[in-house]
Amino acid sequence: DAGVTQSPTHLIKTRGQQVTLRCSPKSGHDTVSWYQQALGQGPQFIFQYYEEEERQRGNFPDRFSGHQFPNYSSELNVNALLLGDSALYLCASSGNRGADTQYFGPGTRLTVL
Amino acid sequence: AQSVSQHNHHVILSEAASLELGCNYSYGGTVNLFWYVQYPGQHLQLLLKYFSGDPLVKGIKGFEAEFIKSKFSFNLRKPSVQWSDTAEYFCAVNAKNQGGKLIFGQGTELSVKP
Repeated sequence: DAGVTQSPTHLIKTRGQQVTLRCSPKSGHDTVSWYQQALGQGPQFIFQYYEEEERQRGNFPDRFSGHQFPNYSSELNVNALLLGDSALYLCASSGNRGADTQYFGPGTRLTVL
Repeated sequence: AQSVSQHNHHVILSEAASLELGCNYSYGGTVNLFWYVQYPGQHLQLLLKYFSGDPLVKGIKGFEAEFIKSKFSFNLRKPSVQWSDTAEYFCAVNAKNQGGKLIFGQGTELSVKP
C-alpha cells in the first residue's frame, strides 16, 4: 500500500515564476492538506481540499492556490514566486472528510533564486 | 488564535537517559493532539495521537505522552532513549469540529550520543 507521494522532489525557480507541485494521497483517503515548512520551523497550514473544493485555508496570500481531482490527488500552485517562498512543501492525506489522522508525504523542496 | 509551544529547541542526551519534551497549546475548545517525528532524511511520521479517552497515550518505539487538560499540555516521554531516536519532534494540535487544520510547534531537535 503506497503512502502519500509527491512530485517533484526538488525544484529550482526564479523570482516571478510560477510553480505546480503534485500530491497523490494514501489509498482510501479523501482529503488532502498542504503545508509549508521553512528551515528550522514547524509546518504551517496552507489549505485543505475535500470533494474537489477548498474547505479550509491558512494565512497565505492568493498567490497560493490549489486543486483536487476526482481521484483525490491534488496540486499546489504558487504564482509570482518570492525568495521567501523557498521551503519544503508537504502534502498530507487523511480519511473521513479530514477528521482522521493526517499522514505526510516526503515533500517537495522548492528553492527560489 | 491557536498556537503550540515546544519548550526546548535542541535537547542533547546520552543513550539510556530519560526523555521528556514539553508541549503546550493555546485553545479553549476540545482538541486532538499529535506528536510527529522526522528522522534525518525521512518524512514526517506519526509517533502517537490523542483523540479522547485515557489521557496517557502510548505510541511507537516506546514513546508515550500524557494529556493534561488543566495545563493545556501534551508532553512526550520515553524512559530510555537510543541513538536511533535522534530526530526532530513536532507537537501538533487540531481543534475538533473545525476542520483538519493542524497547528504545529516549532519542533525540538533531539540528539542522542552513543
